Amino acid sequence: QKEVEQNSGPLSVPEGAIASLNCTYSDRVSQSFFWYRQYSGKSPELIMSIYSNGDKEDGRFTAQLNKASQYVSLLIRDSQPSDSATYLCAVINPGTASKLTFGTGTRLQVTL
Amino acid sequence: GAGVSQSPSNKVTEKGKDVELRCDPISGHTALYWYRQRLGQGLEFLIYFQGNSAPDKSGLPSDRFSAERTGESVSTLTIQRTQQEDSAVYLCASSFSMVDQPQHFGDGTRLSIL
Repeated sequence: QKEVEQNSGPLSVPEGAIASLNCTYSDRVSQSFFWYRQYSGKSPELIMSIYSNGDKEDGRFTAQLNKASQYVSLLIRDSQPSDSATYLCAVINPGTASKLTFGTGTRLQVTL
Repeated sequence: GAGVSQSPSNKVTEKGKDVELRCDPISGHTALYWYRQRLGQGLEFLIYFQGNSAPDKSGLPSDRFSAERTGESVSTLTIQRTQQEDSAVYLCASSFSMVDQPQHFGDGTRLSIL
């Protein structure tokens, strides 16, 4: 079992719709969770960080964390073609010197 | 500087040569990380620095790989006797020293081994 799992996609949503990206993790003691956006040929860009159960909103982005079920999700409201990218879920586990463990990413395509 | 700076942006070299990759972290960030991303794959952790020390070298794939950091600033990742499987994008990230702080990435060095 991979430590951090994501559906590779592509996830296709029409412009203006809500995109829902999901991530599950295997280590129950994981405590810090991040979403990065990566455009093709570019480096990852931090979008959201979340540490507590519940929702965290930042503009069109909402991160949701459920530690009991070991999943974290990212919702993108009013999706735009510029949101088309690969979204990487990353986790920090205690005792691992803060190294990020990444999922392989979900490719999002926002269609006109 | 404003962001993490990496150089060179691209490096093409022949198999068997040594290469040195450089990372200049965000000012004030004492933690520095190296990751590798092969084409079409996820990011792999290589090594982590807190200040000048490297508490976690667990991700270095072989003894051909080494890294150092001086002055709590610039870090260099050195790959000796490069192999074709070393071809990848090498990404550097930095963060504040506190555990669980978000990491911010540089643009990476694209390394191609002929």
